[in-house]
Amino acid sequence: AQTVTQSQPEMSVQEAETVTLSCTYDTSESDYYLFWYKQPPSRQMILVIRQEAYKQQNATENRFSVNFQKAAKSFSLKISDSQLGDAAMYFCAYRSASYGKLTFGQGTILTVHP
Amino acid sequence: NAGVTQTPKFQVLKTGQSMTLQCAQDMNHEYMSWYRQDPGMGLRLIHYSVGAGITDQGEVPNGYNVSRSTTEDFPLRLLSAAPSQTSVYFCASSYSEGVGGQNEKLFFGSGTQLSVL
Repeated sequence: AQTVTQSQPEMSVQEAETVTLSCTYDTSESDYYLFWYKQPPSRQMILVIRQEAYKQQNATENRFSVNFQKAAKSFSLKISDSQLGDAAMYFCAYRSASYGKLTFGQGTILTVHP
Repeated sequence: NAGVTQTPKFQVLKTGQSMTLQCAQDMNHEYMSWYRQDPGMGLRLIHYSVGAGITDQGEVPNGYNVSRSTTEDFPLRLLSAAPSQTSVYFCASSYSEGVGGQNEKLFFGSGTQLSVL
């Protein structure tokens, strides 16, 4: 079974600074997808970024980028130029290429200080 | 386009009561699933369905029943609520169980906060 671990229960960053959230996972599969979801206080789950395991290039979405290290099974999220609206719970998630079930990490609460 | 609609948003139950959490999607998605979110544990899969008439258990199925009589609806039933079922519940759907193309994106409902006293 796949497992996803987020070792940082809480992180904080100053507005306009950069922060990196960590995620590691364990799998025996070679083909899979990785995701970062944002959950603001509204409880809504918002897809931030995704990475296909077969792609070596790290995914980027505006201020959000990932550092995908397949051999190390690491998938960190970097948020540049942090904004107050980035404050939320962030979840790392794994999805097999064979089936649709998502496996989530424990979550990291990000606080952004003005 | 409504997306994934969950009702109710909040519910308080007494131990032993039963209830059904409703989930409906209007995107003609084949794949639907239920997760529960607990502090420090992330989201865990309860049950899922890959199409009408087909359901299967996820990671934490005990105490919950599901059915999928139509493509649109995927209700979650608590037959005899217990305090351990106090949680936030999310319904999520995608085009199909497979990945590739538009299948990778999972659409989430807004969640149901359930308290069992």
